[in-house]
Amino acid sequence: ETGVTQTPRHLVMGMTNKKSLKCEQHLGHNAMYWYKQSAKKPLELMFVYSLEERVENNSVPSRFSPECPNSSHLFLHLHTLQPEDSALYLCASSHFPGQPQGGNTIYFGEGSWLTVV
Amino acid sequence: SQQGEEDPQALSIQEGENATMNCSYKTSINNLQWYRQNSGRGLVHLILIRSNEREKHSGRLRVTLDTSKKSSSLLITASRAADTASYFCATTSGSRLTFGEGTQLTVNP
Repeated sequence: ETGVTQTPRHLVMGMTNKKSLKCEQHLGHNAMYWYKQSAKKPLELMFVYSLEERVENNSVPSRFSPECPNSSHLFLHLHTLQPEDSALYLCASSHFPGQPQGGNTIYFGEGSWLTVV
Repeated sequence: SQQGEEDPQALSIQEGENATMNCSYKTSINNLQWYRQNSGRGLVHLILIRSNEREKHSGRLRVTLDTSKKSSSLLITASRAADTASYFCATTSGSRLTFGEGTQLTVNP
């Protein structure tokens, strides 16, 4: 138990579906992240939120839409995905880098396995 | 190539042996961290070493950092089958945390 909970753990969706991934952290952190992990590729940072504001968006296609309603919750809304979007999506949280509690140790959830058919 | 590249990509050893993994990076860093990932699970933080530190220990883990060579090593002593996992280094530069591609460690019983 890392204090970061992701649901669902597994998701299979068609290319025309709309679904959402959910992440919740119980660590009192003020930054949350979405990463994508595909086979044989490094972790790709998708989005960073600090104090509920998006501070980083790494050229992610618009079919991925993040939402951060508060510092404890983060969503990734998915629509009209492609088969190449199949991957493990990891949510993480930390104290935002540069703040006194910082040090950039981030805590990951167990991930959501997404398969697009 | 990536900031934070692990070497080797895969390592297979016998239980009880030591495992050494290396990480090289390109730009100056604030600190370097090592994470572990069991198959299909999230990453778990193992150890952080700051740029002004040269060596750090945590249990069976020993991390070294050579900023002049822009490299770090992770040593796992007396390995166990349960140490089988992927190990990633992650460098922090400013507010950016960048992961390498990882080393897949297999410890055979």
